[in-house]
Amino acid sequence: AQSVTQLDSHVSVSEGTPVLLRCNYSSSYSPSLFWYVQHPNKGLQLLLKYTSAATLVKGINGFEAEFKKSETSFHLTKPSAHMSDAAEYFCVVSGDSGYALNFGKGTSLLVTP
Amino acid sequence: NAGVTQTPKFQVLKTGQSMTLQCAQDMNHNSMYWYRQDPGMGLRLIYYSASEGTTDKGEVPNGYNVSRLNKREFSLRLESAAPSQTSVYFCASSRTVSNQPQHFGDGTRLSIL
Repeated sequence: AQSVTQLDSHVSVSEGTPVLLRCNYSSSYSPSLFWYVQHPNKGLQLLLKYTSAATLVKGINGFEAEFKKSETSFHLTKPSAHMSDAAEYFCVVSGDSGYALNFGKGTSLLVTP
Repeated sequence: NAGVTQTPKFQVLKTGQSMTLQCAQDMNHNSMYWYRQDPGMGLRLIYYSASEGTTDKGEVPNGYNVSRLNKREFSLRLESAAPSQTSVYFCASSRTVSNQPQHFGDGTRLSIL
């Protein structure tokens, strides 16, 4: 069965410093992987997706993620955090049959001035 | 530019009452989904509809029913609400079910007393 583990439930960074949100996945085949962001009282917004075309995936708002099959990881990074990046981030893997998305439990990103 | 629209945004029910949550998408997507989000749990799939005329159970279907009214609309019904169903409910849609990113509404915040 497909699953994801987000290694940190909370991450705190200073504005202007790099962001690293960690995600490991398990999959019986080559999965599709996604990162979503959720701002307070809003729905989830797609940041980026990996579907086997390239291992380094660029998303919106300066975020990117690298797919590492040998490490079964799909970590999300951003070179310089902005206050508006404060939100909940979800790593997601496609399900066994492809129809469902399996969500990690989320990482809450706090950005301090 | 609506995307996925959910109504209502907030609702308070008493135990045993019934309610239907409405969802509509204007992206001509074939597939639609209902999730619930609880603190520390990520999102869990309740039901999904791969295409108009079909519905299937997800991870946590007990206590819920769904109707795919047409290609645009997918409703979720609680026949006899229970406090354990207090949650934030999200509707999502995607072009197809296979490894596609999903587009989310802003959620319905439901409290059951």
